[in-house]
Amino acid sequence: QVQLVESGGGVVQPGGSLRLSCAASGFTFSSYGMHWVRQAPGKGLEWVAFIRYDGSNKYYADSVKGRFTISRDNSKNTLYLQMNSLRAEDTAVYYCAKDIRTTDYYFDYWGQGTLVTVSS
Amino acid sequence: EIVLTQSPATLSLSPGERATLSCRASQSVSSYLAWYQQKPGQAPRLLIYDASNRATGIPARFSGSGSGTDFTLTISSLEPEDFAVYYCQQRSNWPQITFGQGTRLEIK
Repeated sequence: QVQLVESGGGVVQPGGSLRLSCAASGFTFSSYGMHWVRQAPGKGLEWVAFIRYDGSNKYYADSVKGRFTISRDNSKNTLYLQMNSLRAEDTAVYYCAKDIRTTDYYFDYWGQGTLVTVSS
Repeated sequence: EIVLTQSPATLSLSPGERATLSCRASQSVSSYLAWYQQKPGQAPRLLIYDASNRATGIPARFSGSGSGTDFTLTISSLEPEDFAVYYCQQRSNWPQITFGQGTRLEIK
């Protein structure tokens, strides 16, 4: 069965950096686009970033553009999110999510999420 | 940015009743709309995509309809496990994906 397991969350000071990982299994990882979606405490969902199945295209929400970098290692079935210049408003649970097809921007499987807290 | 407005914010119903949730887009999204269910402490679950297609494993009591700017998620007969928060999401102007603010479906 499809499994997505995030790791790397934690507490970081404003201006700091963090790298999230998402280990994928149960499907052909190299055939699907992958996303990061976040949810601030008690709030709704916000799409963060997308990477094409082969890593050739990457897109970001305006709120994180220039600060976050999405990447993947298809040999390790792992998705990453490098987060730099973190702000208090980046505090959220970060989910990795599988695209329903290669580039459809619907999310059919989600990880359990990893909490990132930006605070001094 | 396409804004999705969900109504009502909270819907109070009893098991066995019919639930009708609404999602309105600030401009046409054609049929590029999905619905998700989220329970406390859990990740969202995809229910419906492309406005009316049920995702794998989703019970037939869930159905979606609409196109353009007005969409509806209907749950024909509520089961106890259906009480949750529901979000709509558009992918019409990808990569600028947006979600609605959510409708909380609670037990009356």
